[in-house]
Amino acid sequence: KAGVTQTPRYLIKTRGQQVTLSCSPISGHRSVSWYQQTPGQGLQFLFEYFSETQRNKGNFPGRFSGRQFSNSRSEMNVSTLELGDSALYLCASSLAQVNSPLHFGNGTRLTVT
Amino acid sequence: DQQVKQNSPSLSVQEGRISILNCDYTNSMFDYFLWYKKYPAEGPTFLISISSIKDKNEDGRFTVFLNKSAKHLSLHIVPSQPGDSAVYFCAASGGGSNYKLTFGKGTLLTVNP
Repeated sequence: KAGVTQTPRYLIKTRGQQVTLSCSPISGHRSVSWYQQTPGQGLQFLFEYFSETQRNKGNFPGRFSGRQFSNSRSEMNVSTLELGDSALYLCASSLAQVNSPLHFGNGTRLTVT
Repeated sequence: DQQVKQNSPSLSVQEGRISILNCDYTNSMFDYFLWYKKYPAEGPTFLISISSIKDKNEDGRFTVFLNKSAKHLSLHIVPSQPGDSAVYFCAASGGGSNYKLTFGKGTLLTVNP
């Protein structure tokens, strides 16, 4: 079974631009979550989607948004990029059952210059 | 406010010996706990989990212990192997929102041959 696939692996953008990251979950997984990892803050929850609906959102500004498609694939968008948005963005999928673990992709490394 | 704490940034053990990684939490609403392993340039890999109704869970060389009264969990790896060298993250969730994980900052485990 293929794992969680994230594209692209690396991105370099300049301040003020916007970026879209893509995630394909494990087949059969309907829940997709996004996390940001930075050296200072560690891994932090951004938001989660299930059946094309955002169920929960972390403490991030509105510049961070996402969506989920009917095939469970998800995209995350960051508008008006800031230097502090440089991070590893991780997507995770799960079966959305009680106590089913998250399975992570290898992430997209975003660098904002 | 760090709700999940891994107080040891690093740990070094000899091959064949036991590795014990520790994690403390403060939120009494957490009822599901997980350990992830992360290699550089890869996403976190799920290792083992435990729900709050249990105090021990084993999977091969990995055992997780949960002490709810102390709000403490630990991961034991026996015997440790050089391939176990990685950053280990403790994570927790509660209220059925197992997609919204709160992570510790991680412990770098080095297993020396």
